[in-house]
Amino acid sequence: GNSVTQMEGPVTLSEEAFLTINCTYTATGYPSLFWYVQYPGEGLQLLLKATKADDKGSNKGFEATYRKETTSFHLEKGSVQVSDSAVYFCVEAAGNKLTFGGGTRVLVKP
Amino acid sequence: DTGVSQNPRHKITKRGQNVTFRCDPISEHNRLYWYRQTLGQGPEFLTYFQNEAQLEKSRLLSDRFSAERPKGSFSTLEIQRTEQGDSAMYLCASSFGTDLSSTDTQYFGPGTRLTVL
Repeated sequence: GNSVTQMEGPVTLSEEAFLTINCTYTATGYPSLFWYVQYPGEGLQLLLKATKADDKGSNKGFEATYRKETTSFHLEKGSVQVSDSAVYFCVEAAGNKLTFGGGTRVLVKP
Repeated sequence: DTGVSQNPRHKITKRGQNVTFRCDPISEHNRLYWYRQTLGQGPEFLTYFQNEAQLEKSRLLSDRFSAERPKGSFSTLEIQRTEQGDSAMYLCASSFGTDLSSTDTQYFGPGTRLTVL
């Protein structure tokens, strides 16, 4: 079956640092790709999405570009804040069946 | 609050007992999904409904698991003869969609945490 691989955490950063979380997927064709985020004590929330090759999803200062040639969807943010501390999940979708990566815990220190 | 709600939020049971969880989707959403998340892992797809029809089931959904959505609104997930390996967070999500080949944005509930002793 399909799988999603993302870098293991925890990732610890200082405020205003640059964040990258690598993500690759194995699905063939053109799956939709998402990043979901889970803040402490809260449920999963959609952070951003991209539905076709070369699309860039963006939200709250985060960006990710759908790279078909490298089957990747890396998440980036130029200047993180303490409030960005959370677990981030890279997700690919074949139809409406979501396949999640293992999650990357990010801790931003003041 | 018009989000996805799940009840109970926590359930502790003894091995061999049956448990049932409920999910209430966002009211206008016709699709409903169940996922299971074990500690330190990402959620894994279990099953999904469009209206009252169960369209797909994962191999993870053994014959001890059954899900229903009788009126196309709320859904229940029942686990019979629970085992310690069933301990996990059970997540429900909902979406609105009309095209089976398209991917909708899924909105997740807070989950039900099951502990089997």
